[in-house]
Amino acid sequence: EDQVTQSPEALRLQEGESSSLNCSYTVSGLRGLFWYRQDPGKGPEFLFTLYSAGEEKEKERLKATLTKKESFLHITAPKPEDSATYLCAVQDGVAGAQKLVFGQGTRLTINP
Amino acid sequence: NAGVMQNPRHLVRRRGQEARLRCSPMKGHSHVYWYRQLPEEGLKFMVYLQKENIIDESGMPKERFSAEFPKEGPSILRIQQVVRGDSAAYFCASSVDHGGSYGYTFGSGTRLTVV
Repeated sequence: EDQVTQSPEALRLQEGESSSLNCSYTVSGLRGLFWYRQDPGKGPEFLFTLYSAGEEKEKERLKATLTKKESFLHITAPKPEDSATYLCAVQDGVAGAQKLVFGQGTRLTINP
Repeated sequence: NAGVMQNPRHLVRRRGQEARLRCSPMKGHSHVYWYRQLPEEGLKFMVYLQKENIIDESGMPKERFSAEFPKEGPSILRIQQVVRGDSAAYFCASSVDHGGSYGYTFGSGTRLTVV
């Protein structure tokens, strides 16, 4: 069964303090790994899709990387507006490419 | 481009009543997915539909839950005889193709409260 584990559950940083969020996964055959941002009371907002080990993608202060067992979301010099829950999800190319299996999320708080 | 539209945003039902949640996919998207987010839990897949067809309902509870995506109109997630444990946020997502090659876009969700 596909599994996604995110750590830490919650992370509190000072503005400008860089850090990384972890997403460990177990999947039959990875078709894609997705990162989403979710603000309170809203739906997930797409950030990145990674497809193969070694791939990296960047968007503003965020950079996502992928290995065969985990993905990292690096946040460089974060600002208070980066506060949100960050969700990781995998898409299984063997068991069914039509659904995403999500982790529990990391709740990130950036203090000014 | 209005994105994925879900309504209502909030829904309160008494135990035993029916709940109907609606989802209009993004323009040009013909694949619809429903996910449920229970309090303090992650998003869980429920069902995948194309127009007039249920493709994968492996995540749907066997009783009381049903989904449809008619030829005309929005996709509907229907919960009959709701119980307190059905209280959750229900999200709809849509994509251009079934594999989400161009990504999945989520709506803002319907928050169901059963009292």
